Amino acid sequence: AQTVTQSQPEMSVQEAETVTLSCTYDTSESDYYLFWYKQPPSRQMILVIRQEAYKQQNATENRFSVNFQKAAKSFSLKISDSQLGDAAMYFCAYRRDSNYQLIWGAGTKLIIKP
Amino acid sequence: DGGITQSPKYLFRKEGQNVTLSCEQNLNHDAMYWYRQDPGQGLRLIYYSQIVNDFQKGDIAEGYSVSREKKESFPLTVTSAQKNPTAFYLCASTTGTGETQYFGPGTRLLVL
Repeated sequence: AQTVTQSQPEMSVQEAETVTLSCTYDTSESDYYLFWYKQPPSRQMILVIRQEAYKQQNATENRFSVNFQKAAKSFSLKISDSQLGDAAMYFCAYRRDSNYQLIWGAGTKLIIKP
Repeated sequence: DGGITQSPKYLFRKEGQNVTLSCEQNLNHDAMYWYRQDPGQGLRLIYYSQIVNDFQKGDIAEGYSVSREKKESFPLTVTSAQKNPTAFYLCASTTGTGETQYFGPGTRLLVL
């Protein structure tokens, strides 16, 4: 069975600086998707970025980028030029190929210091 | 605007009562999912449906039931058999190829 681990319960960063959130996963599948979702205090789950395992190029969305290391089963999220609106819970998720179910990590709470 | 709606935003359940959470989407998505979120944990799958009139149990289906009579609707019933129903419930949907799941705003269920 697939598992997702986020080892940082909480991270803090100064506004305008860069922060990296860690995620590792375990799977025997060769092709899969990985996601980072953001959950602000409103609790709406918002997609941040998506990575397809067969693509070697790391995904990028504006200030958000990932470092995808398939062999190491690592999928970290880098947030550049951190903004106050980035404060939220961040969840890493693995998409199971059989039914598209998402397997979730426990989340990292990101605090932005003004 | 296309999207997923969930109602109500807050729901209170009395002992021995069944309650139903609504989830509706107008994205024309084939698959729909129900997740439960508890404090300090990631989401856990309750039920999912990949096509109308068909659904499967997820990892924590005991004490819950669903139906999928229409493509756009996937209601979740929390039965009296669910002994610890207090949680935040999220509904999601995705296309047939399942690349990305999109989420509704959630329902907070509390027990009186």
